[in-house]
Amino acid sequence: DTGVSQNPRHKITKRGQNVTFRCDPISEHNRLYWYRQTLGQGPEFLTYFQNEAQLEKSRLLSDRFSAERPKGSFSTLEIQRTEQGDSAMYLCASSLGLAPQETQYFGPGTRLLVL
Amino acid sequence: SQQGEEDPQALSIQEGENATMNCSYKTSINNLQWYRQNSGRGLVHLILIRSNEREKHSGRLRVTLDTSKKSSSLLITASRAADTASYFCASLATGGYQKVTFGTGTKLQVIP
Repeated sequence: DTGVSQNPRHKITKRGQNVTFRCDPISEHNRLYWYRQTLGQGPEFLTYFQNEAQLEKSRLLSDRFSAERPKGSFSTLEIQRTEQGDSAMYLCASSLGLAPQETQYFGPGTRLLVL
Repeated sequence: SQQGEEDPQALSIQEGENATMNCSYKTSINNLQWYRQNSGRGLVHLILIRSNEREKHSGRLRVTLDTSKKSSSLLITASRAADTASYFCASLATGGYQKVTFGTGTKLQVIP
């Protein structure tokens, strides 16, 4: 059973550098979501794709953040000119995309530390 | 900002006892879900309750939903040390959107 996978699992970078994370959803899932979670808090929604279309974006997703899902399968989240405040766990989730109300299945996350 | 608030923030119980966590939300919802997160790991889906449901069971879990009070509770019966984790409620608002809003979480410690 292959669940949602994320790479890398950990990333340490210096302030000002760009980073890119990858998410591979469960193979038959059409919807893909990105969340950010800081220590001691619940995940916060960043963005959501239905196939390759990015349908919702949070105001948390500043212009330094960009997410893509070019072929409707895997997705990438890029952060440009990283800041220390970007340090967080970045979580990806996927769901079937067949019904309005669906369970989202989460990956293990990518933990980012910006020095 | 987080829509959901959970109560208590932390809970410590002995193995075998029951644990109850509460969640409040602010807007009309389609459904509410509960997730578990072990330290530094991804979230595991536990149970989903729809807005027209009042109670749902899954194994040792019981979830209730009171839409008039905009609140939900998660009861874990006969707790085990392996239940030690953070528990989050997550609500899906009405309106056809897919944005799920998570609460701040309850950190549960089950002492063997």
